[in-house]
Amino acid sequence: GQQVMQIPQYQHVQEGEDFTTYCNSSTTLSNIQWYKQRPGGHPVFLIQLVKSGEVKKQKRLTFQFGEAKKNSSLHITATQTTDVGTYFCAGLETSGSRLTFGEGTQLTVNP
Amino acid sequence: EADIYQTPRYLVIGTGKKITLECSQTMGHDKMYWYQQDPGMELHLIHYSYGVNSTEKGDLSSESTVSRIRTEHFPLTLESARPSHTSQYLCASSDYPDELFFGEGSRLTVL
Repeated sequence: GQQVMQIPQYQHVQEGEDFTTYCNSSTTLSNIQWYKQRPGGHPVFLIQLVKSGEVKKQKRLTFQFGEAKKNSSLHITATQTTDVGTYFCAGLETSGSRLTFGEGTQLTVNP
Repeated sequence: EADIYQTPRYLVIGTGKKITLECSQTMGHDKMYWYQQDPGMELHLIHYSYGVNSTEKGDLSSESTVSRIRTEHFPLTLESARPSHTSQYLCASSDYPDELFFGEGSRLTVL
């Protein structure tokens, strides 16, 4: 079955440093979604990427979808303490009908 | 704001008890899901439904059962709870192939 791998599992940064998490799928994806889960909270949708090579920005967050539609990344510029949480990618197979989540990257930001 | 609700938010029960976790959504979504998640860890899909009278087991084996008699309602039942069932259970719904809306979760502790 489809596997979605996400690295790193944990990332500790100083406030102001950049952060990147990577997502890799074993199969070609129809789309990829990103979610953020604050400590003690529930996952909240951030964005969906559909097109090969697509890049989308949300303020300090930049999302990329690979040309082969098998990998994606989320980059945060100049992290803030409000960025703390776990970031999950979730991929939808081209032949599938449900999302497969990556293991998540837990981000901690030291003030 | 997503209109998906889970009750109870917190539950502490003894081994062997039967419990039902409730999940309701008012968005008219056909697809609904149950995930199991330990704090800060990956999301494990345990059940999903694509519509009324349709239920499927997910990727993670679970001793729980679900039903989908009404579009808006997707309860999860444990016939005999054990300490190994201690976890957070997250309900979600979607309007395929779009984002998942998650409830706030039910945190279960089995003594």
